[in-house]
Amino acid sequence: EILLRQSPATLSLSPGGRATLSCRASQSVGTYLAWYQQKPGQAPRLLIHDVSTRATGVPARFSGGGSGTDFTLSISGLEPEDFAIYFCQQRYDSITFGLGTRLEI
Amino acid sequence: EVQLVESGGGLVQPGESLRLSCAASGFSFTNTVVNWVRQAPGKGLEWVSAISGSAASTYYADSVKGRFSISRDSSKSTIYLQMNSLRVDDTAIYYCTKDQGGYDYYWGQGSLVTVST
Repeated sequence: EILLRQSPATLSLSPGGRATLSCRASQSVGTYLAWYQQKPGQAPRLLIHDVSTRATGVPARFSGGGSGTDFTLSISGLEPEDFAIYFCQQRYDSITFGLGTRLEI
Repeated sequence: EVQLVESGGGLVQPGESLRLSCAASGFSFTNTVVNWVRQAPGKGLEWVSAISGSAASTYYADSVKGRFSISRDSSKSTIYLQMNSLRVDDTAIYYCTKDQGGYDYYWGQGSLVTVST
């Protein structure tokens, strides 16, 4: 099973700032890497798929990058609605998720 | 508009069974892979099962293999997750998701399953 390690577990920033979230895989996942956002009491929402492609309706301040085993999600100009939990997911070999990064004010 | 509505959750005792339903609308049901993903209270996400558009192929996480069964009824545009021999660690919110481009593009609101004595 491919393990995904996300860091940091919690990231404290202010609105207007820039967030950089990391996701490291235990082996290469090619480009089969996605990011999801989850707010309290809501289902997750797909933000980024195939490492860097934004899902429909996702603002341009969200960007994804990386390759092989190391990936990042960057959020520039943080808006109040961006404070949430972010999960990475790989679909290279079965499907696994990271434990998440909580982005808080 | 794509809609996925889960139902069937509830409180059961260890060893009992439960069947979840996911009513789908707003897309071509027979051409779409559907997944079940669960989330234990306050925890991360775990993929549980998937079924192909034709229902010819089904897939399961090791943690539920042999206990859970996924199926679909095209006449009702509904996907089912039959859960047998439930354990305390199966307690979670169960989401059904619509696969698009190989990812969980659309999610239902979830159905809570609690396994407890």
